[in-house]
Amino acid sequence: DQQVKQNSPSLSVQEGRISILNCDYTNSMFDYFLWYKKYPAEGPTFLISISSIKDKNEDGRFTVFLNKSAKHLSLHIVPSQPGDSAVYFCAASRYNTDKLIFGTGTRLQVFP
Amino acid sequence: GAGVSQSPRYKVTKRGQDVALRCDPISGHVSLYWYRQALGQGPEFLTYFNYEAQQDKSGLPNDRFSAERPEGSISTLTIQRTEQRDSAMYRCASSPPPSGGTNTGELFFGEGSRLTVL
Repeated sequence: DQQVKQNSPSLSVQEGRISILNCDYTNSMFDYFLWYKKYPAEGPTFLISISSIKDKNEDGRFTVFLNKSAKHLSLHIVPSQPGDSAVYFCAASRYNTDKLIFGTGTRLQVFP
Repeated sequence: GAGVSQSPRYKVTKRGQDVALRCDPISGHVSLYWYRQALGQGPEFLTYFNYEAQQDKSGLPNDRFSAERPEGSISTLTIQRTEQRDSAMYRCASSPPPSGGTNTGELFFGEGSRLTVL
């Protein structure tokens, strides 16, 4: 039972353009959502998060949008840079528990 | 150290042997998590601790898997009678105490222990 889904295994974007990574979830009890970034041979690192009381959170080039009614969130990266090339994981949790449930990841490649 | 430290980084063992994977979390971090990640998949939750108390072990696949954190710091994940299907990257993560009563959910991951069972 995959509660957090990333249906696009890979995405290729030209440098300077916008990258949009999508994530869907099924558990309506989730109220906190995070994006992690992972480079080869490293552990995932936290990128940005959003609480269910918001529908948008922005941090520099990264913006996360949350649509609770659709149980959908997305990560926008603009402008995309070659250093953004990595695997991006969406994760979700319930407020009063510490357990993060991860999606399967989307591999982003930003080419010059 | 500055980050989450896991050892060994690589472990190759024969089927039926027991293995122990160690995690040293970031100093001061209260919560410690174990995840397992298969190739091409996201991290899969196994278990987590707050201090020395195991809060949730619902992700442990079966009773061959166990974890402990006796002094609320270093944790050991033990797999008994290993099987080939146990081969995966085992990731440990820790998180700081809640700030202002709120748990941000941010986890700090180690580099992982890659287990290969022959």
